[in-house]
Amino acid sequence: DARVTQTPRHKVTEMGQEVTMRCQPILGHNTVFWYRQTMMQGLELLAYFRNRAPLDDSGMPKDRFSAEMPDATLATLKIQPSEPRDSAVYFCASGHHGNTEAFFGQGTRLTVV
Amino acid sequence: SQKIEQNSEALNIQEGKTATLTCNYTNYSPAYLQWYRQDPGRGPVFLLLIRENEKEKRKERLKVTFDTTLKQSLFHITASQPADSATYLCALESDRGSTLGRLYFGRGTQLTVWP
Repeated sequence: DARVTQTPRHKVTEMGQEVTMRCQPILGHNTVFWYRQTMMQGLELLAYFRNRAPLDDSGMPKDRFSAEMPDATLATLKIQPSEPRDSAVYFCASGHHGNTEAFFGQGTRLTVV
Repeated sequence: SQKIEQNSEALNIQEGKTATLTCNYTNYSPAYLQWYRQDPGRGPVFLLLIRENEKEKRKERLKVTFDTTLKQSLFHITASQPADSATYLCALESDRGSTLGRLYFGRGTQLTVWP
């Protein structure tokens, strides 16, 4: 059945290292979201794409975070350099413009030590 | 800036009772509001959507109300069961005139239903 796939599921890295998280949206979906979830802040919207174009990335720290959609089947979120405060669960969600439901992946749990 | 508040971090109720969760918002005029369920270690799963011109929406044991004057939505689970135990999140879209615009989430209410 159709689902959003995120890799890796877990990542432990040292401070200063580059981290890349990947998301495969549901086939045919043209809207992709990246969220970060922490106990303190809940779900924070980091970036939002439609038809592969970034519509809003104001939630991301621009100096270290970047989000791209190289093609319709892949979205990436990169952190360089990573810091301990980036430790969180990162979720990708997709949907189709014209519908109103967002489908979430299982998330990537990132730990920066 | 926009603010979404869910009434409490945790709600504990006995099986068979009705659970009522609250979502309040400020500085928004959303065209619709959504409720999601999140289980530990999983991503949120969509449950219900209610539009600004709808007062109430039902789906099986779930009921959602939306009061745009009070800027509040209530989410009810009737005849609650232990399997309903999860975190429930409300979400508002911020891009009026666009379906599936930016979705902003509350921090959620953790519901525990005990036998």
